[in-house]
Amino acid sequence: NAGVTQTPKFQVLKTGQSMTLQCAQDMNHNSMYWYRQDPGMGLRLIYYSASEGTTDKGEVPNGYNVSRLNKREFSLRLESAAPSQTSVYFCASWGYTEAFFGQGTRLTVV
Amino acid sequence: AQSVTQLGSHVSVSEGALVLLRCNYSSSVPPYLFWYVQYPNQGLQLLLKYTTGATLVKGINGFEAEFKKSETSFHLTKPSAHMSDAAEYFCAVTLDTGRRALTFGSGTRLQVQP
Repeated sequence: NAGVTQTPKFQVLKTGQSMTLQCAQDMNHNSMYWYRQDPGMGLRLIYYSASEGTTDKGEVPNGYNVSRLNKREFSLRLESAAPSQTSVYFCASWGYTEAFFGQGTRLTVV
Repeated sequence: AQSVTQLGSHVSVSEGALVLLRCNYSSSVPPYLFWYVQYPNQGLQLLLKYTTGATLVKGINGFEAEFKKSETSFHLTKPSAHMSDAAEYFCAVTLDTGRRALTFGSGTRLQVQP
């Protein structure tokens, strides 16, 4: 089983550029999440999706959009990247009693 | 809303010494509690979890944690530290209802001295 797969693993963007982070899970989970990790702050929820076609804001949604294309895929889009969005991004899905995380995308905005 | 406080952003122990990483939570209803470990430039690995039942939970790599409702705590322990335990550890909480999104503590970096 692949679990939760994120692409790309690394990305460098210039300020103002756009990009989409991809996430897919093969565990037939309904709920999926995007988190960002910053030093000294743990992981913070950006967006959440309870099922295909539904999304909801988390703690730090500004500057991001998401799309739940189908049950498997949940993408995160940065329309106009800013240096403050330099971070490590994790996608996750919720199983019966725990979350399953992808390996992360390290994004640097210069 | 739930929250998590990890006391001590950095903890240093000698190899062979007891490891104690502290986690306190706040939640209006019984929570699910988790400890994750993150090695440098790696993703998150689940160490252990408490959902219901026995309050002393054993995890991987010799770690364990005890859910104490009266103290709203879920401290992580290991009797004898190994060099390979050096990593960052995160405590997290969620509810068994609603969005089930995890709320994380700010993390504790464990250093193990030879």
